[in-house]
Amino acid sequence: SQKIEQNSEALNIQEGKTATLTCNYTNYSPAYLQWYRQDPGRGPVFLLLIRENEKEKRKERLKVTFDTTLKQSLFHITASQPADSATYLCALEFTGGSQGNLIFGKGTKLSVKP
Amino acid sequence: GAVVSQHPSWVICKSGTSVKIECRSLDFQATTMFWYRQFPKQSLMLMATSNEGSKATYEQGVEKDKFLINHASLTLSTLTVTSAHPEDSSFYICSARDFFGRGDNEQFFGPGTRLTVL
Repeated sequence: SQKIEQNSEALNIQEGKTATLTCNYTNYSPAYLQWYRQDPGRGPVFLLLIRENEKEKRKERLKVTFDTTLKQSLFHITASQPADSATYLCALEFTGGSQGNLIFGKGTKLSVKP
Repeated sequence: GAVVSQHPSWVICKSGTSVKIECRSLDFQATTMFWYRQFPKQSLMLMATSNEGSKATYEQGVEKDKFLINHASLTLSTLTVTSAHPEDSSFYICSARDFFGRGDNEQFFGPGTRLTVL
């Protein structure tokens, strides 16, 4: 079965540095790979989506890369701020019968220290 | 735009009772809504896919008679946990996809409902 691993359960960095989060998966490459932010006791909030034929996508201070050979996505937050502290979830979506079904990783809890 | 609400945000009930959770898309239409469950420090697990006007599709291991889903309109889906037991205590989150496909194919999530069964 498809597995997703977000390698770090927690990541602590200093304000102003770049945070890099990793998402690895097994078996098949998804049609879409998505990144969400989740704050404690809240539902996930969509951040970025990258398609399997895209290598990189950016949005303001966020950057996502997708390497289907390595079966890995990297999520970067540049110039990190304490307000970026949250849990970041990686999610895979496949096409076909399971289109729309997201498979989530456990998340990486990011703490940005001032 | 693209706001999804859930009600209630938290509920405490006695074992054996039923609890209904509502999920609404406030400013868009959603033919498909999804119900997830999240235990502490665990990932979101898809329970079922709710399609407007038809029966929900349940994931393997999710009892359809225990978790009743109704998707009566393009903006409302409900999840009823019947005869709840303490092991059903969890964080239930719904999501919806914009029927007209605006946005980047993402799902919009509700704020979640914390269910505690005593």
